[in-house]
Amino acid sequence: GAGVSQTPSNKVTEKGKYVELRCDPISGHTALYWYRQSLGQGPEFLIYFQGTGAADDSGLPNDRFFAVRPEGSVSTLKIQRTERGDSAVYLCASSLIHKGTSYNEQFFGPGTRLTVL
Amino acid sequence: LAKTTQPISMDSYEGQEVNITCSHNNIATNDYITWYQQFPSQGPRFIIQGYKTKVTNEVASLFIPADRKSSTLSLPRVSLSDTAVYYCLVGDGPQLSPTYKYIFGTGTRLKVLA
Repeated sequence: GAGVSQTPSNKVTEKGKYVELRCDPISGHTALYWYRQSLGQGPEFLIYFQGTGAADDSGLPNDRFFAVRPEGSVSTLKIQRTERGDSAVYLCASSLIHKGTSYNEQFFGPGTRLTVL
Repeated sequence: LAKTTQPISMDSYEGQEVNITCSHNNIATNDYITWYQQFPSQGPRFIIQGYKTKVTNEVASLFIPADRKSSTLSLPRVSLSDTAVYYCLVGDGPQLSPTYKYIFGTGTRLKVLA
């Protein structure tokens, strides 16, 4: 497909469980972003990858959250010991470049709705 | 810390022009201003981006005054399908730093009425 894809679209888990959320960016996009969106709020930045490395993970709420992008394409967001407060929509976006001063459009996926019971 | 302020919500009728203003008093010299649209259960979608003066594309116009401390998104002749949340976005963090990132605000909920 031409757009950013995310799997699964919905994930229901129990408190304390481990979950993995996957993002397939647009082919050729070097920058990849993860956001979290709670009901009624705007997306909240979590982490940004430039290539394989996490250039900025300052948005990750705590050490239960971790993300990887081993080959510079697909990324996985991992959440350990899930809590009810982790329930949200997790959005992934990619862009062709990431420069603070340049025209930079982020393309978003449809998100994964995570529900922690 | 670059922050944006937008009205929480707006109502309009079909066929009207809608203008949504965003304040960004601390915008950095090289920051661009970007607007995204989000429908329920979808990720945000890029609408328009600009640096100064006026930018127009097939769906919207963006007006940016000389001081760049605010911007106005203009949607001509809205329809029911334009009902969505609209986000104004500017960069945050030191220029060209790995920590540079975009910060979304709470957005403006636009409701278009028949």
